[in-house]
Amino acid sequence: GAVVSQHPSRVICKSGTSVKIECRSLDFQATTMFWYRQFPKQSLMLMATSNEGSKATYEQGVEKDKFLINHASLTLSTLTVTSAHPEDSSFYICSANGATTNEKLFFGSGTQLSVL
Amino acid sequence: GNSVTQMEGPVTLSEEAFLTINCTYTATGYPSLFWYVQYPGEGLQLLLKATKADDKGSNKGFEATYRKETTSFHLEKGSVQVSDSAVYFCALGPLGGSEKLVFGKGTKLTVNP
Repeated sequence: GAVVSQHPSRVICKSGTSVKIECRSLDFQATTMFWYRQFPKQSLMLMATSNEGSKATYEQGVEKDKFLINHASLTLSTLTVTSAHPEDSSFYICSANGATTNEKLFFGSGTQLSVL
Repeated sequence: GNSVTQMEGPVTLSEEAFLTINCTYTATGYPSLFWYVQYPGEGLQLLLKATKADDKGSNKGFEATYRKETTSFHLEKGSVQVSDSAVYFCALGPLGGSEKLVFGKGTKLTVNP
């Protein structure tokens, strides 16, 4: 099946710094990518949807200036958590689909962000 | 809005035991229902799906039936193996499942030899 590579798998940062998470589709062109986050004991919640070359569409309650999403190519999307604070500590996971994925979503392995 | 309620974990079973992980949903319209599995260190993978009422999804010995009358999609396996240890997510979404999905909280399953 298609592979989505997400890095880093774990990151610890100081409050006020920015963190970038990368999501790459290795063997298909990802026309759409979805970014989710999961707080402890909560559901995976969709944060935003990005289409290659377009601005991301954010879900209600997600600050677009804080969570910057770039989907400049068909194989790479990045999520940057700007000026991270402890309340941003969470599990972030990307997923992608494309014309060749047969209507399936493929997920990265996730990034555990801890902000001190 | 749409939501998924999933059995709280963690669940610990012995090998060859019977597994049930409960999942109920609320939704408008006629969503498709999915079970995803995440093995340690890997991304979520689609385990099975059902696209309409009374459909049964099955894969790798796991089964789930789309029950509209009880708004449920419980995951079952007759005899679990150590290799089934993972986190299982119930989800609902559009027909193909290639777009926005609404997930449950996930249930961690540990199978001991």
